[in-house]
Amino acid sequence: SQQGEEDPQALSIQEGENATMNCSYKTSINNLQWYRQNSGRGLVHLILIRSNEREKHSGRLRVTLDTSKKSSSLLITASRAADTASYFCATAVNYGGSQGNLIFGKGTKLSVKP
Amino acid sequence: DTAVSQTPKYLVTQMGNDKSIKCEQNLGHDTMYWYKQDSKKFLKIMFSYNNKELIINETVPNRFSPKSPDKAHLNLHINSLELGDSAVYFCASSQGRGGRETQYFGPGTRLLVL
Repeated sequence: SQQGEEDPQALSIQEGENATMNCSYKTSINNLQWYRQNSGRGLVHLILIRSNEREKHSGRLRVTLDTSKKSSSLLITASRAADTASYFCATAVNYGGSQGNLIFGKGTKLSVKP
Repeated sequence: DTAVSQTPKYLVTQMGNDKSIKCEQNLGHDTMYWYKQDSKKFLKIMFSYNNKELIINETVPNRFSPKSPDKAHLNLHINSLELGDSAVYFCASSQGRGGRETQYFGPGTRLLVL
């Protein structure tokens, strides 16, 4: 089954509002990464948070990681129409047959209306 | 200056044909990857190469054969194309191995098998 699962699958908000996306995973990880994919384009890296970190900021982005709950959240503050995209979490697992892989969730599709 | 480039961007072909997708990165990274993204946006790793050596080979039909002539290039050759091969194929690279580093993605190759 999927390592990372984003929630919600789709999110529609007004410009200026905050957007929160969640990611849950199943196994021990080395790090968790968030990527953005604009329609018809490749993925762009946003933030990497390591397993010993709890929170990270980058501009309007805030990522939290709770390893006890095996979950992460991505908060985009003061959203803009240009933030409209799909957002994926990806986990780097620590062991097993998938060690070394970056495993992606199915993504949250964010729509920011002007 | 494109960091990770792929050619072609679009590929439409008939079932049974053989086709190749090329990928080049100018970031000086040691590791390159091929991912497949299906129609539901699910992104799954196919192969990973580190310094021209295959390090990850997920459960992929042997009709798919990656080739790395040097560490800046990772090409994907697909034999006897099937309808189910229709997807977007992304090349990516990272400085280190596995999921411990940020990955940089190419723009994708949209393959449609008729």
